[in-house]
Amino acid sequence: EVLLAQSGAEVKKPGESLTISCKASGYSFTDSWINWVRQVPGKGLEWMGRIDPTDSYSNFSPSFQGHVTISVDKSSGIAYLHWSILEASDTAIYYCARPEREGHLRDWGQGTLVIVSS
Amino acid sequence: EVVMTQSPATLSVSPGERATLSCRASQTISSNLAWFQQKPGQAPRLLIYGTSTRATGVPARFSGSGSGTEFTLTISSLQSEDFAVYYCQHYNNWPGYTFGPGTKLEIK
Repeated sequence: EVLLAQSGAEVKKPGESLTISCKASGYSFTDSWINWVRQVPGKGLEWMGRIDPTDSYSNFSPSFQGHVTISVDKSSGIAYLHWSILEASDTAIYYCARPEREGHLRDWGQGTLVIVSS
Repeated sequence: EVVMTQSPATLSVSPGERATLSCRASQTISSNLAWFQQKPGQAPRLLIYGTSTRATGVPARFSGSGSGTEFTLTISSLQSEDFAVYYCQHYNNWPGYTFGPGTKLEIK
């Protein structure tokens, strides 16, 4: 069974940095890209970006390019989403998701709530 | 970049009735169209992919159809557990994935 286990909720201040994680199990980690999706409370789903665990190639939605980075630890089967400088507008739930071979996102993590507030 | 829109924003339907949710793409897209269900406090759940293929474990009352720029999710006889928010999504495009804004299906 595929499982994407995300790290716990975070409360941070504007200007701080943050890394959240997504640990994959139940499949070969390098077989699928890992995607990150944002959901602002009460709002819809926004695709942020993705990474190929094989070579760490990543690409992003223009809305998120330059504001976050994505990385992986291939040996541990963990993907990371990182902010160098958090803003209050980064307050949201962040999901990692894995696509099937055809491209659709079948498997999702449970989500990580990030609150950025002074 | 393809923009996805959904209508209506909110749909009120009685249990046992049929619900029809619409999704429109800003340009002709392939059949790489998925539907997700999301309940409060839960991650999205894949219902339909490839426009019309039900994901594993999804009841047969859920069906997807469409082509070109117009796509539809139909729930044939609403059960209490079906009241949720539904998102369409275009995948396998560049730079990645595009979600619609969602339709909230509520009990009438």
